[in-house]
Amino acid sequence: EAGVAQSPRYKIIEKRQSVAFWCNPISGHATLYWYQQILGQGPKLLIQFQNNGVVDDSQLPKDRFSAERLKGVDSTLKIQPAKLEDSAVYLCASSRTGGRNTQYFGPGTRLTVL
Amino acid sequence: GQQLNQSPQSMFIQEGEDVSMNCTSSSIFNTWLWYKQEPGEGPVLLIALYKAGELTSNGRLTAQFGITRKDSFLNISASIPSDVGIYFCAGTFTTGGGNKLTFGTGTQLKVEL
Repeated sequence: EAGVAQSPRYKIIEKRQSVAFWCNPISGHATLYWYQQILGQGPKLLIQFQNNGVVDDSQLPKDRFSAERLKGVDSTLKIQPAKLEDSAVYLCASSRTGGRNTQYFGPGTRLTVL
Repeated sequence: GQQLNQSPQSMFIQEGEDVSMNCTSSSIFNTWLWYKQEPGEGPVLLIALYKAGELTSNGRLTAQFGITRKDSFLNISASIPSDVGIYFCAGTFTTGGGNKLTFGTGTQLKVEL
């Protein structure tokens, strides 16, 4: 079974520029998550989708971050405009729906904002 | 929001030693999880705990769900070089669509040969 795929793996941009990350979850996983992991910290949930609907986006900075999962499979996370403090690893995870279903994480995209 | 505090922040041990790390929360969780993260990779689940007081093993790893539901510990016996990495605890609340994870601050483990 293929794991969670993410691209790009690394991205360097200047502040005020925009950037987008892509995630392809494990086949059959209806729930998809985006996390932000700042260096030296644990991952923090940004947004959770079930199929193409948002379940939880309470910690997403909506003035600059947006995410979509139009067909209930792939997802994109966008930052516009980026700030220095957005430098982090952005992790995508997926799981089956409900109960004790394990979240499987992708390798992440490391973003550096200069 | 909830915060999970892990200790120690980092450990530098000799190969073959046993390791113990713990995690405490200001809130109750209904599930405790332990993950390991290696450089350039996402976290990988090691052990999941679902009931207060539960003690679960996975090879050389043993973890317990605290009776108060606000803490958990992870033990690694007879450490080996490949145990190097960052260990995260995570607590969950189960929502209608999935499990919302709150991660701890991490314990970095370094093993000396």
